[in-house]
Amino acid sequence: EAGVTQSPTHLIKTRGQQVTLRCSPISGHTSVYWYQQALGLGLQFLLWYDEGEERNRGNFPPRFSGRQFPNYSSELNVNALELEDSALYLCASSFRGVPTDTQYFGPGTRLTVL
Amino acid sequence: GQNIDQPTEMTATEGAIVQINCTYQTSGFNGLFWYQQHAGEAPTFLSYNVLDGLEEKGRFSSFLSRSKGYSYLLLKELQMKDSASYLCAVRWILTGGGNKLTFGTGTQLKVEL
Repeated sequence: EAGVTQSPTHLIKTRGQQVTLRCSPISGHTSVYWYQQALGLGLQFLLWYDEGEERNRGNFPPRFSGRQFPNYSSELNVNALELEDSALYLCASSFRGVPTDTQYFGPGTRLTVL
Repeated sequence: GQNIDQPTEMTATEGAIVQINCTYQTSGFNGLFWYQQHAGEAPTFLSYNVLDGLEEKGRFSSFLSRSKGYSYLLLKELQMKDSASYLCAVRWILTGGGNKLTFGTGTQLKVEL
């Protein structure tokens, strides 16, 4: 069974640009979560999508946004990039139909903002 | 708040046993997860506890005490490949419904010869 996939693997952008990151969940999973992990810091929760709807949002400015498609894949958009947006962006998926609702992570997208 | 505390770094010897502790605020608790994360890679799920007690999975075990807001991850027969960051993550029930998973900053474990 394929795991969570993310694209691209690496990305280099300059300040002020916009970026779109993509995530495909494990087959059968309906929830997708986005996290930011800056160098040396813990995972910071960004967004949670379930069944196509945004369910919860972390303490990030509105220039971080996303969506979930009918096939449960998801996009994370970051507008007006700033240097401090440089980080590993991790996507996770889960199946909320089981009590554990464990999140499984993709390999991440390494974003560098110059 | 939803603070999670775990030690920043630990060092242990190959073949030994190490215990990584995690404390959290108990209000709204709805499950605790441990993940392993090697440098530059995604976190990998290790264990899940929602009831008090010990869950054993091969060389790894995880313990939970809900009343104390305390968990630990026990790694036995340490191997060099166990050198990684170990993340404690707590799921809380949100007042408006649904739940939220919050991660600790991780414990960087270094296994030495």
